[in-house]
Amino acid sequence: LAKTTQPISMDSYEGQEVNITCSHNNIATNDYITWYQQFPSQGPRFIIQGYKTKVTNEVASLFIPADRKSSTLSLPRVSLSDTAVYYCLVAGDRDDKIIFGKGTRLHILP
Amino acid sequence: NAGVTQTPKFRILKIGQSMTLQCTQDMNHNYMYWYRQDPGMGLKLIYYSVGAGITDKGEVPNGYNVSRSTTEDFPLRLELAAPSQTSVYFCASVGRLASYEQYFGPGTRLTVT
Repeated sequence: LAKTTQPISMDSYEGQEVNITCSHNNIATNDYITWYQQFPSQGPRFIIQGYKTKVTNEVASLFIPADRKSSTLSLPRVSLSDTAVYYCLVAGDRDDKIIFGKGTRLHILP
Repeated sequence: NAGVTQTPKFRILKIGQSMTLQCTQDMNHNYMYWYRQDPGMGLKLIYYSVGAGITDKGEVPNGYNVSRSTTEDFPLRLELAAPSQTSVYFCASVGRLASYEQYFGPGTRLTVT
């Protein structure tokens, strides 16, 4: 399981685009990058997963450079309801034990 | 589609009591996990299972036990509850490979006094 590093917290304003970067220098060839969102008193919720380049869904985009040593979760035009903790995980086919890091606490201001 | 269900939602235990937290998934997933989350902190892996009959320790297994007799169920047993086990407990499951999307249950909020 690759170790990940993310900022502990971030603040932004409603309507802005928010980018959260995760470092994973020892990512393995068959590892995927997955981001989760967690609201208070709820379990984490899957947002997006990618292997390389760019992935986009109705919630977010995930940018992964060619060396795959980092990834950036992009949330377009955030609202107050996007205030949550965001976790980056890196895991591959040989990983059974899925361990969460500390995550990034995102606080959206009006 | 129920997904991952957990019971009970809330529980207060006295020190030294025991209890079992139930977790059931109806997605025929191989992998199941138990995490605990203390207030303001991240999730810590307690135990996990890669299939029926197979369990393994996570980061913080002391004071807990698990079993996996069926694909659907993955109960977590607390023996001799201690105040340090006051936490929110989340169960999760994953399909064919652990690196796939995890589905989480709603959690059990446990207080030990």
